[in-house]
Amino acid sequence: TQLLEQSPQFLSIQEGENLTVYCNSSSVFSSLQWYRQEPGEGPVLLVTVVTGGEVKKLKRLTFQFGDARKDSSLHITAAQPGDTGLYLCAGEESGATNKLIFGTGTLLAVQP
Amino acid sequence: NAGVMQNPRHLVRRRGQEARLRCSPMKGHSHVYWYRQLPEEGLKFMVYLQKENIIDESGMPKERFSAEFPKEGPSILRIQQVVRGDSAAYFCASSPYRGEQYFGPGTRLTVT
Repeated sequence: TQLLEQSPQFLSIQEGENLTVYCNSSSVFSSLQWYRQEPGEGPVLLVTVVTGGEVKKLKRLTFQFGDARKDSSLHITAAQPGDTGLYLCAGEESGATNKLIFGTGTLLAVQP
Repeated sequence: NAGVMQNPRHLVRRRGQEARLRCSPMKGHSHVYWYRQLPEEGLKFMVYLQKENIIDESGMPKERFSAEFPKEGPSILRIQQVVRGDSAAYFCASSPYRGEQYFGPGTRLTVT
């Protein structure tokens, strides 16, 4: 069974600080997707990384896919209160279906 | 372009009743996935469907749960004889191909 561990599980920081969220697995994934979920809503896709070593930037968010396609990180620069939410990584399982294996989640709170 | 739509957003059922959850994928998307998010747990894959076909139901409980995606109309997740343990948020995601998945807002099922 493929598992994705995220760390930290909870993070409370002040506005303007930087942070990094990690997503680790012992399994290889075809791709990895990062989502943000707010209370009472569905996950919203932020980015998909496909190639080992790939780095993608989305404004203040930087996503990296590990060389071996087993891990990923999300770095947020100068966090803002609007970044508050549950961040989920999800690995696309290799094989006939591309079902997603979700990580354990990182709950981020950015204090003004 | 409307996103993935799910209804109802909230559903309350007594033990033993049936629950029907509907999902309309994004326009042009022919792949539908259902996931369940139990309280204090992460998102777990249930079933993957294409039009008129169940491709992978490995995450679906063997009894009481069924899913369909007819040629016309929304995808339906059906839970017969609901029990308290079925209380959860059920999310549908759609994809135009075997790639990025876009989630709906979810249906919160409460079994009393």
